[in-house]
Amino acid sequence: DAKTTQPTSMDCAEGRAANLPCNHSTISGNEYVYWYRQIHSQGPQYIIHGLKNNETNEMASLIITEDRKSSTLILPHATLRDTAVYYCIVRARNNDMRFGAGTRLTVKP
Amino acid sequence: DVKVTQSSRYLVKRTGEKVFLECVQDMDHENMFWYRQDPGLGLRLIYFSYDVKMKEKGDIPEGYSVSREKKERFSLILESASTNQTSMYLCATQDPVSRGSSPLHFGNGTRLTVT
Repeated sequence: DAKTTQPTSMDCAEGRAANLPCNHSTISGNEYVYWYRQIHSQGPQYIIHGLKNNETNEMASLIITEDRKSSTLILPHATLRDTAVYYCIVRARNNDMRFGAGTRLTVKP
Repeated sequence: DVKVTQSSRYLVKRTGEKVFLECVQDMDHENMFWYRQDPGLGLRLIYFSYDVKMKEKGDIPEGYSVSREKKERFSLILESASTNQTSMYLCATQDPVSRGSSPLHFGNGTRLTVT
């Protein structure tokens, strides 16, 4: 199963773009990259996912490198409410997802 | 929107008690999952189910069992609660129609304390 590597923590200024990197160098050709976030005392919230093309929705953009070995989640205009732990996950076999430690993003005023 | 409801936000039980954690979803999803979350360890998969009466072990099934008698309900059972089962428990569902790309939808968790 593909593993992911994320920085432990990052800071971002309010109103600026937050760029969260993820390495997944052992990803297989049919595995998707998912991003979730978890705000304190709540369950993880789905953000976005992709296979090889870049994706955008109302929450964020996902940029996947051409070799698919890494990706970046972009929050275009971070707000204080975006402070959370962000998880990058590659879908494993048999539908189960493994969550790592994630990146703790702190948005500062 | 998908709604995943966990019966309790906070629960306190004594060592040795039998504990039931309930999860109900309203989207007719076939796949359901139980995770526990602990500081420094992230989310760990306990059990999952692809259909009624079906179950599969995750990474840490020891000390737990599950029940899926109805599609919308997935129960996690601690047969004899121990203090090392104090944790945040998270239930999730998934629409298997497009298994390759369908995301998980989580409930808000049950924080269980075993004393």
